[in-house]
Amino acid sequence: GAVVSQHPSWVICKSGTSVKIECRSLDFQATTMFWYRQFPKQSLMLMATSNEGSKATYEQGVEKDKFLINHASLTLSTLTVTSAHPEDSSFYICSAVTSGGPIEQFFGPGTRLTVL
Amino acid sequence: QKEVEQNSGPLSVPEGAIASLNCTYSDRVSQSFFWYRQYSGKSPELIMSIYSNGDKEDGRFTAQLNKASQYVSLLIRDSQPSDSATYLCAVNVGEYGNKLVFGAGTILRVKS
Repeated sequence: GAVVSQHPSWVICKSGTSVKIECRSLDFQATTMFWYRQFPKQSLMLMATSNEGSKATYEQGVEKDKFLINHASLTLSTLTVTSAHPEDSSFYICSAVTSGGPIEQFFGPGTRLTVL
Repeated sequence: QKEVEQNSGPLSVPEGAIASLNCTYSDRVSQSFFWYRQYSGKSPELIMSIYSNGDKEDGRFTAQLNKASQYVSLLIRDSQPSDSATYLCAVNVGEYGNKLVFGAGTILRVKS
């Protein structure tokens, strides 16, 4: 149980284009999903908290207009990196919390983004 | 002061030994503590969660929590080469306690 998937697992794009990453909870409903970014040899940094049916809450320093988050259903959240630049190249990981249970976060497999 | 601190390592232990990983945190209000294992190029995998002072055992893993000292640790008994990974300590923070702050991680190397 508590399986989270992400798609795509990796993507390469040109500078200036937009990339959408999907995060799905496969066997449970997730009222809250989180988006993290991890640069090489660094720890996970929380970007935003995504709540179903409401606007995402962004961490300080994260541009909400650049990283668009949509949480339209209890099993799907999307992160769109708009006008991507090489410095946005990173490992993006989502996590989900089961509804009504302990606040353990279960992570998706991650999406490696490379912007040329 | 960082919210969650870990020794970056690497911590090297021989196969079969006990590996001891430590973590301190700054937010006294935190109530939930987690250990994640992350292999290179992969996402974190939850190993243990602990909410009360004392020890919690699960197989070869034991988590220890001391809220008065703001200290949480992970012991891995009978370490195996497959345990070689980065271990991330995470602590819940935020108004509703639903956000996690991660330490930088400790690299563990188990030598056969």
